[in-house]
Parts: sequence; structure tokens; C-alpha cells
Amino acid sequence: GAGVSQSPRYKVAKRGQDVALRCDPISGHVSLFWYQQALGQGPEFLTYFQNEAQLDKSGLPSDRFFAERPEGSVSTLKIQRTQQEDSAVYLCASSLARQEAETQYFGPGTRLLVL
Amino acid sequence: GQQVMQIPQYQHVQEGEDFTTYCNSSTTLSNIQWYKQRPGGHPVFLIQLVKSGEVKKQKRLTFQFGEAKKNSSLHITATQTTDVGTYFCACPSAGFKTIFGAGTRLFVKA
Repeated sequence: GAGVSQSPRYKVAKRGQDVALRCDPISGHVSLFWYQQALGQGPEFLTYFQNEAQLDKSGLPSDRFFAERPEGSVSTLKIQRTQQEDSAVYLCASSLARQEAETQYFGPGTRLLVL
Repeated sequence: GQQVMQIPQYQHVQEGEDFTTYCNSSTTLSNIQWYKQRPGGHPVFLIQLVKSGEVKKQKRLTFQFGEAKKNSSLHITATQTTDVGTYFCACPSAGFKTIFGAGTRLFVKA
């Protein structure tokens, strides 16, 4: 079946613009994660959803970052008033359930460049 | 907070040579996972280790979980050009957080 998809794949924004990044997880997957990956670094946790509930948002770097998953499937990560330091690849991952050590299936990512 | 260190940062090998990357956590882990990310790609799950001292093999790849469950290693025997990429360890943390190491980038020269 289809894997995790993300859109857009690339986004160029002017500093101060708002952006919205979309993630379509694997159908039936309960858990959804957002990560930020800077060049040459590992994915850095942003937030976690279990169905529609956002159970952990400890990794969101500022209140300019907001994520939602209103119906427990598609999720959107919104960044308001983008800054140059927001430039990174934003990865979405889903897993079947939240048990100890579930495999995370990653999407291709959205590469965000803020000018 | 919990720290996850991965070494080396880079490794250049000649095709056919062996390769090892090491992952160390500042706290005891319930489990550890390993992922591979090809250049321009996204992380792909390789394996999960749960038990103290556990060793798992996948063809030329050998994964080990330390006795104290604070460290792990990935060893590749006789590297091939298809092994090129960045290898990450991933450790569960407080709440629902997963902490990824910074990764070891493997370059293989044919």
C-alpha cells in the first residue's frame, strides 16, 4: 500500500510568511510524529499525535509552530512568521500504534527554505 | 536531559572494508532502533533491539545492544556501494519523544 506522503516537497518562503506543511500517514496508523532535520543532523522531535490527540508538543521550538490532526489521519504543521532559522527538512512519520518501540515509517519530507 | 551521542560523524571506507558506528545514551534504554537514510532520502527502519546484550544480524549487518542497555553498535562486514548513507540510532525518551543520534555518514569508495 501507499506509504507516508508529504506535501509540498519543496517550499520557499519569504521571511515573515506563514507556511503549512501537510502529512498523509499510512492508513490506519494511530501514531504520527513530526520532526525537523537540519542539514547534516539527525531528525529532531517536534510533536506527537495519537489519533487526533496531540500528546506531546515538547519539541516545538516556539509558539510560531503549531500542529493539528483534527480527524486522526492527515496532519498539518503550520509555521507562522517564518524565520531563516526555520529552514530545514520537515519529516513526518507514522506508526501503527503507540506501544513500546513501534517502527516509524517516514515520509519524503518537505524541504523548507526561508529567504 | 537525555543525551544521545553517535560516533564517528563520518567514515570513509574502501569497498570491501568493514564499518562500525557506535551509539551511546546517557540514560538506560528500554529499546533502541536503527535507521538508514540514503542521500536525499528519508530515514528507513532497519532494526529494533530490546534485550540486554542482544545481537541481531541482517545479512552483512550486525547490531548489538550493550549489557547495560545504554549503548549500541552497528557493524557492516565487507561494505558495498549500496551501503552508502547515514546511519542513525533512535532512542525512546520521556513522554512520546524519540531522540535520534546525529548519525554516522558512510562513504564507500569503489
